[in-house]
Amino acid sequence: AQTVTQSQPEMSVQEAETVTLSCTYDTSESDYYLFWYKQPPSRQMILVIRQEAYKQQNATENRFSVNFQKAAKSFSLKISDSQLGDAAMYFCAYNENSNYQLIWGAGTKLIIKP
Amino acid sequence: DTAVSQTPKYLVTQMGNDKSIKCEQNLGHDTMYWYKQDSKKFLKIMFSYNNKELIINETVPNRFSPKSPDKAHLNLHINSLELGDSAVYFCASSQGLAGNYEQYFGPGTRLTVT
Repeated sequence: AQTVTQSQPEMSVQEAETVTLSCTYDTSESDYYLFWYKQPPSRQMILVIRQEAYKQQNATENRFSVNFQKAAKSFSLKISDSQLGDAAMYFCAYNENSNYQLIWGAGTKLIIKP
Repeated sequence: DTAVSQTPKYLVTQMGNDKSIKCEQNLGHDTMYWYKQDSKKFLKIMFSYNNKELIINETVPNRFSPKSPDKAHLNLHINSLELGDSAVYFCASSQGLAGNYEQYFGPGTRLTVT
């Protein structure tokens, strides 16, 4: 069965610095999709970034980028120039076409120090 | 315009009561979901509907019953509420079942059972 592991329950970073959140997953599939979702204190879950496994190029969305290592089954999220508004729970998630549901990691709480 | 809305946002009730949470999406999506998020922020899929058809029915007590009157609505009815049902319940929707589709979340309903 597919699993998603986020080994860092909590991370902290100084404002304006860079932080990397780790995520590993387990699957025997070759075609799948990976996501990072953000949940700020307001509770609203928001998609941050998405990566298709067939794409070799790492996805980037403004200050957010991923380091996708398919062979290592690793999907880390890098946040550059951290801002106070980045403080949130970050969830890594996995999906594939035949699964019909996202497989979620346990989340990493990101604290931004002013 | 609210994409996925839930009512109520907060619900406090006593053990043994029956309550409902309503969800509506105005995105024209075919697929809708109910998630439960516990106090440790772990997200668990409960149900998924695609075109009003039940697709995912995870192991949840049969006191929980979803109802999808049309593609835009997915309601959750809970009978005989128990203390352990206290959690945040999220409704979500996606364009379809394919793995690459982003899920859009409602604001959550915080249920407190006393």
